[in-house]
Amino acid sequence: QVQLVQSGSELRKPGASVEVSCKASGYSFNNFALNWVRQAPGQGLEWMGWINTKTGNPTYAQGFTGRFVFSLDTSVSTAYLQISSLKPEDSAVYFCARGFSEGSGGNCNADYWGQGTLVTVSS
Amino acid sequence: DIQMTQSPSSLSASVGDRVTITCRTGQSISRFLNWYQQKPGKAPKLLIYAASSLQSGVPSRFSGSGSGTEFALTISSLQPEDIATYYCQQNYSALWTFGQGTKVEVK
Repeated sequence: QVQLVQSGSELRKPGASVEVSCKASGYSFNNFALNWVRQAPGQGLEWMGWINTKTGNPTYAQGFTGRFVFSLDTSVSTAYLQISSLKPEDSAVYFCARGFSEGSGGNCNADYWGQGTLVTVSS
Repeated sequence: DIQMTQSPSSLSASVGDRVTITCRTGQSISRFLNWYQQKPGKAPKLLIYAASSLQSGVPSRFSGSGSGTEFALTISSLQPEDIATYYCQQNYSALWTFGQGTKVEVK
C-alpha cells in the first residue's frame, strides 16, 4: 500500500536549519510528484510547492522562496524539505503529499499524505 | 495566486442533517477543484477531485458540485465521524491554493 512516512518532530533555535524527510513506499517514486504543505498552529493548509521526482526540478509557492529547498534521493525514494535561517513563525506542521495527475491538462490532487512533522522554532 | 473563499468558516449541525460548504474562486478554474477533510491531529484526506468525482473509499454521503467560480461540498446526512475541517483546493494554476477551511461541528 502507498505510504509516506515523515521524520520526527524537531526543535530548533532561531537562525538554525532543519531538514524534514518523507520516505515513500508502495508505488513507483519517480511516477508521481511530491508536494509540501505547511500548517501553522491552529491555522489552515498552505501549499509550499512541489518537486518533480523525475527531474528533481522544484517549484516554490510565493512566500517559500529563498530559505526553503526541496530535494530528493531517488535511490531511497525519499524527498527532503530543508529550511534555513529559521524564524519563530516557521513553527508549524509540515506535510508531504503525493501529487496525482489525471494526465496532461488533467486534474491534479494530493491523494496520499505523510503523517506530518512538527517543527518548533524557539529560543 | 488564485484566491479561494470558503463559507461558512464554521458550522454546527445535527446528526442526520444535510450540510453544504461553498468555495468561490477569484477567477474561473473550470472543474480543477478538490476537497479535503482534516480531522484534528491528522493529515488531510482527499474526498472529492475534479469538482465532483468521489475518491475511492469515501462514503457516498459526500458529494461535490460546481464549475467555473462556484463549488460546493455536500454531506447528505451528517455523521459523528464527519467532525473535521474541510478545505477546497484549486489546481487550475500550476501554483495550488487552498481555501481557508470550514470547521464542521455536531450540535
